[in-house]
Amino acid sequence: DTAVSQTPKYLVTQMGNDKSIKCEQNLGHDTMYWYKQDSKKFLKIMFSYNNKELIINETVPNRFSPKSPDKAHLNLHINSLELGDSAVYFCASSQVWQGAYEQYFGPGTRLTVT
Amino acid sequence: GENVEQHPSTLSVQEGDSAVIKCTYSDSASNYFPWYKQELGKGPQLIIDIRSNVGEKKDQRIAVTLNKTAKHFSLHITETQPEDSAVYFCAASFSSGSARQLTFGSGTQLTVLP
Repeated sequence: DTAVSQTPKYLVTQMGNDKSIKCEQNLGHDTMYWYKQDSKKFLKIMFSYNNKELIINETVPNRFSPKSPDKAHLNLHINSLELGDSAVYFCASSQVWQGAYEQYFGPGTRLTVT
Repeated sequence: GENVEQHPSTLSVQEGDSAVIKCTYSDSASNYFPWYKQELGKGPQLIIDIRSNVGEKKDQRIAVTLNKTAKHFSLHITETQPEDSAVYFCAASFSSGSARQLTFGSGTQLTVLP
């Protein structure tokens, strides 16, 4: 049983293209996140959604647009891809409303922009 | 916001020895401190966590200690095994408006030598 899943696992594309990464969680959690992990392994939060509502939006270019069709899904759309967008993107989820902060991560999507 | 520093960045130990990773945080309001293990090509996996009302927590070979006064917490792994080799991240939670989020340390690459 996959708790947090992401597709695709690998994504290779050219500069200027638009791409999407999908995330789904079957844990019944109310909050989902997108993180970016750079080449030095540093993990930084990008967005957080609680019950389909955006609650955290860090300093991220507006080329990145998250979309949450329901509380089990949080997709990330990236417009006009740049070389610097190359990284591993992780989706995560947690059950914040109960005061539990444990975050569970997906397997990651390695994005390579050429 | 929160700032989390993690040391060392790399750590090599002989199989059977202990490993200790240390983190400091800046926000005295932080009350939740998880540790994640990330194996190559995988997402971070929660291995142990501690809340601010507890000084120490143990789960088999791993333990975490928290010193709220000094604002630092540590991960201890005893009787290390080759499968413990991975990147370990500490994190601290803090409030961002109505939301809570995690700030991660920069990671420690642990290598257990057989």
